[in-house]
Amino acid sequence: GENVEQHPSTLSVQEGDSAVIKCTYSDSASNYFPWYKQELGKRPQLIIDIRSNVGEKKDQRIAVTLNKTAKHFSLHITETQPEDSAVYFCAASIGGNTPLVFGKGTRLSVIA
Amino acid sequence: DVKVTQSSRYLVKRTGEKVFLECVQDMDHENMFWYRQDPGLGLRLIYFSYDVKMKEKGDIPEGYSVSREKKERFSLILESASTNQTSMYLCASSVTGRGTEAFFGQGTRLTVV
Repeated sequence: GENVEQHPSTLSVQEGDSAVIKCTYSDSASNYFPWYKQELGKRPQLIIDIRSNVGEKKDQRIAVTLNKTAKHFSLHITETQPEDSAVYFCAASIGGNTPLVFGKGTRLSVIA
Repeated sequence: DVKVTQSSRYLVKRTGEKVFLECVQDMDHENMFWYRQDPGLGLRLIYFSYDVKMKEKGDIPEGYSVSREKKERFSLILESASTNQTSMYLCASSVTGRGTEAFFGQGTRLTVV
């Protein structure tokens, strides 16, 4: 089955700097790659996703890149702000009714 | 707004008790999932269901069972609670399609003493 590895497990950045979180997946049939943000005490919520027919997607300060050949994808957050502090999870799925397989998460701390 | 609601935010149960965690979604989603969240281990899939009365084992099904009698409701059952089942439990739902967003409930923090 699918296996998703996520790095780093913790990340501290200064406010205004960029943050990058990387994930690799094992199943070449995976075609959907979402990123979830979980603030302390809250539920995970989707912040951005990308499909296998797209190499990059941006939404304001957040971007995701996908390299299908290398089977890895990354989350980029620019101009970080304290409210970006949270745990971020990457995931992969082959679609249909199959479940998302999640990475172990990255705890991002943005230091003011 | 999609709403996935879990019946309890916090639960404390005794070892050996049978525990029911309930989840209801209001968006007519076909798929429902139960994940367990532990620090450093991420979100691990316990069971999922893609239709009423259908269920599939996830990565860590031991000690758990599920029930889906109605499309909107998915129950997780701990047959005989043990201390190593102390955890955060997250329910999620999604529609069937070519990769779709999973919507999560607020989570149930279960403590087994």
